[in-house]
Amino acid sequence: KQEVTQIPAALSVPEGENLVLNCSFTDSAIYNLQWFRQDPGKGLTSLLLIQSSQREQTSGRLNASLDKSSGRSTLYIAASQPGDSATYLCAVLYNNNDMRFGAGTRLTVKP
Amino acid sequence: GAGVSQSPRYKVAKRGQDVALRCDPISGHVSLFWYQQALGQGPEFLTYFQNEAQLDKSGLPSDRFFAERPEGSVSTLKIQRTQQEDSAVYLCASSLKTGYTEAFFGQGTRLTVV
Repeated sequence: KQEVTQIPAALSVPEGENLVLNCSFTDSAIYNLQWFRQDPGKGLTSLLLIQSSQREQTSGRLNASLDKSSGRSTLYIAASQPGDSATYLCAVLYNNNDMRFGAGTRLTVKP
Repeated sequence: GAGVSQSPRYKVAKRGQDVALRCDPISGHVSLFWYQQALGQGPEFLTYFQNEAQLDKSGLPSDRFFAERPEGSVSTLKIQRTQQEDSAVYLCASSLKTGYTEAFFGQGTRLTVV
């Protein structure tokens, strides 16, 4: 079964901290992995897309890495801000065109 | 359009009613996905289209759920004889070319069955 797991389920940090969110997947036959942000009551906003042949992608204070062989991805957020508070979702697009999500990590950054 | 558009944004249905949820993908996007998201959970896959072809419908929870994309652009998710457990946010996503490009999501339709 193609499962995606995110750890931790929730995280609370003070403003300014660097933090790491984890995503693991059970099947390494993937096209790509995408990190999303979801604010309460809103849709999903794409943050970073990593192709299966890539090791990492960076956008501003965000850096996502991918280790396909071990079935892991991490999202690193530098110098966190209260505006970063949201749920972060990892989605894996498998080679059968099935895109599966983790349950998300709910991040709270305290001022 | 500029992004993926879903309508209605909110829908309240009486149990047993039929509902139809619409998704307008980004123009030219080949792939279209439907997801169901329960409160506090990640999105659960329902079905996938490549142009007008429904290539995967393994996530549809019952035969009351039906999706179509007849002309390869707009898609409709229909739920017949709605039940309370159908209450969720239904999300639609599109991507230009499956496997190589980002998926973009609409704002979702929040369905409440009373």
